[in-house]
Amino acid sequence: DAKTTQPNSMESNEEEPVHLPCNHSTISGTDYIHWYRQLPSQGPEYVIHGLTSNVNNRMASLAIAEDRKSSTLILHRATLRDAAVYYCILRDGEGYNYGQNFVFGPGTRLSVLP
Amino acid sequence: DGGITQSPKYLFRKEGQNVTLSCEQNLNHDAMYWYRQDPGQGLRLIYYSQIVNDFQKGDIAEGYSVSREKKESFPLTVTSAQKNPTAFYLCASGQGSSATNEKLFFGSGTQLSVL
Repeated sequence: DAKTTQPNSMESNEEEPVHLPCNHSTISGTDYIHWYRQLPSQGPEYVIHGLTSNVNNRMASLAIAEDRKSSTLILHRATLRDAAVYYCILRDGEGYNYGQNFVFGPGTRLSVLP
Repeated sequence: DGGITQSPKYLFRKEGQNVTLSCEQNLNHDAMYWYRQDPGQGLRLIYYSQIVNDFQKGDIAEGYSVSREKKESFPLTVTSAQKNPTAFYLCASGQGSSATNEKLFFGSGTQLSVL
């Protein structure tokens, strides 16, 4: 399975934009890039996903490099409630054993300073 | 409200005891999953089920067992064979297809500790 690499931790000031990077140099053509986040003492929640084009939703934006070997999750204005662990996951869009395709590594712990 | 309910929130296990963690979903999802999370670590897949009466081992299935008798329910039993059961256990469900837009929905977790 293709793997992802994320920084262990990042800090941001409240109301400033946050750019969370993810490297996935061995990504295959059918891998989708998913982002989840986990608030303290809770289960992860879906944030966004994409294949090639940049994606926007109400929670965040996903910027995907042209060669797809890296991507960046963008929180446009960080709030204290955005403090969480953010996971970048590759998921094979053609995989049959899809349950095993959601591989959650250690992620990036984002701290938001008031 | 639609969602996934895990119970109990906290559970204590004695030596040699089997304990069962409950997971119920009313999202009409076909697929359900169990993950284990140790402090500061990512999630590791224990078992998953794509359809009723069928389930598959994940990466760390030893010492655990599951059943899937109903679409809504996927209980996890931590057996006495699991020598290091202290962890945060997370249940998830998904539409169960290989569709590119499949998302996982998680419960709020059960913290299991050994007495």
